[in-house]
Amino acid sequence: EVQLLESGGGLVQPGGSLRLSCAASGFTFSSYAMSWVRQAPGKGLEWVSAISGSGGSTYYADSVKGRFTISRDNSKNTLYLQMNSLRAEDTAVYYCAKDFPYYYGSGSYYPGAFDIWGQGTMVTVSS
Amino acid sequence: AIRMTQSPSSFSASTGDRVTITCRASQGISSYLAWYQQKPGKAPKLLIYAASTLQSGVPSRFSGSGSGTDFTLTISCLQSEDFATYYCQQYYSYPPYTFGQGTKLEIK
Repeated sequence: EVQLLESGGGLVQPGGSLRLSCAASGFTFSSYAMSWVRQAPGKGLEWVSAISGSGGSTYYADSVKGRFTISRDNSKNTLYLQMNSLRAEDTAVYYCAKDFPYYYGSGSYYPGAFDIWGQGTMVTVSS
Repeated sequence: AIRMTQSPSSFSASTGDRVTITCRASQGISSYLAWYQQKPGKAPKLLIYAASTLQSGVPSRFSGSGSGTDFTLTISCLQSEDFATYYCQQYYSYPPYTFGQGTKLEIK
């Protein structure tokens, strides 16, 4: 069964740090780009960051650029999100999501929608 | 960034109704659009990708259409399990991937 399982959320003070993890199983993890998507309480979905299958390319939303770092360990089938300088507005459920490429072959990879999501982990930034 | 606007933001309907949700992109995105369903306390679920292709396992009462800037999600005969919030998302231009603000479908 294809599965993503996040961990690492919790309560942290403003200015603090937290590292989220996402353990993947049931698919060839290194073959797919991965993303983090968050949802503030009662709000909609906001894409946060993405990383290519090899880990060589990373992308960030402007709201987290310079504070968050996405990474992956393909030997452990695990995705990470290092969050520094946390703010109250970072309070949200954080989901990891697997990319569903619209084209994948002949050495090319074109990212698409998100077909598998984890259950989410709650991050609360408050004093 | 490409802005995605959904309408309506909320909607009341009855079991058996046919409902349509609209998503508009601030610039053309070809057919690089997905629809997700989210129930309270749960992760989003992919329903449709490439604007009109049904994800495996999704009931055929769901359908999507459109290209360019205007898209629709239609549920042909609402079932009780369809009451949820629906989001569109573009993957034509990134970063950032962008989502619509959501449409909450409630029981009348």
